[in-house]
Amino acid sequence: QSALTQPASVSGSPGQSITISCTGTSSDIGTYIYVSWYQQHPGEAPKLIIYDVTNRPSGVSHRFSGSRSGNAASLTISGLQPEDDAVYYCSSHTTDNTLLFGGGTKLTVL
Amino acid sequence: EVELEESGGGLVKPGGSLRLSCAASGLTFSKVWMSWVRQAPGKGLEWVGRIKTRIEGGTTHYAAPAKGRFTISRDDSKSTVYLEMNSLETDDTAVYYCSSHATVGSMIFWGQGTPVIVSS
Repeated sequence: QSALTQPASVSGSPGQSITISCTGTSSDIGTYIYVSWYQQHPGEAPKLIIYDVTNRPSGVSHRFSGSRSGNAASLTISGLQPEDDAVYYCSSHTTDNTLLFGGGTKLTVL
Repeated sequence: EVELEESGGGLVKPGGSLRLSCAASGLTFSKVWMSWVRQAPGKGLEWVGRIKTRIEGGTTHYAAPAKGRFTISRDDSKSTVYLEMNSLETDDTAVYYCSSHATVGSMIFWGQGTPVIVSS
């Protein structure tokens, strides 16, 4: 299966909101609620920020929210802050019992 | 505090083998699924494979590039998960992370990664 599709980059100014899309198929996002989002800063391990489409792990800011419609999912970050500057990855469980990641989206906070 | 610590990475020639280990602490290891995820230099995340709990049969699933060459196993008595890699190729060069699952599709705790370089 091919990777999930994400835009290569997005940008926004502090205080603004941005949305990152993640497009899959009926074999992954379209079938399961098991969609997650990860944040990765350079040189660090990924950090889970959204799981099962809309849920935030303990300690993750309420500025991060997730949604899903059909074969696509989205991550919205509101009130952008400089520390949000990072790469964001979506992932989904698949009908093959595997897990797919998106190619990653570089968020630049201007 | 949960900690995952990978070890066993290094330089290996094409066609060679390597076994990575990931020691976990601070969680009930026997009750969690564990995954391996890799990241090639300058590239994105790629899921390698996953092992379920022993009660669930220790079932494993692998991504296509790993199937037939990589094997994931676990030793709950040592709170350790392993990734045995055979017939290594240059495309396997990456930082390898182990992670523990929060749900079927999400990994909540991650190690810092161990680098694997496949080169002649």
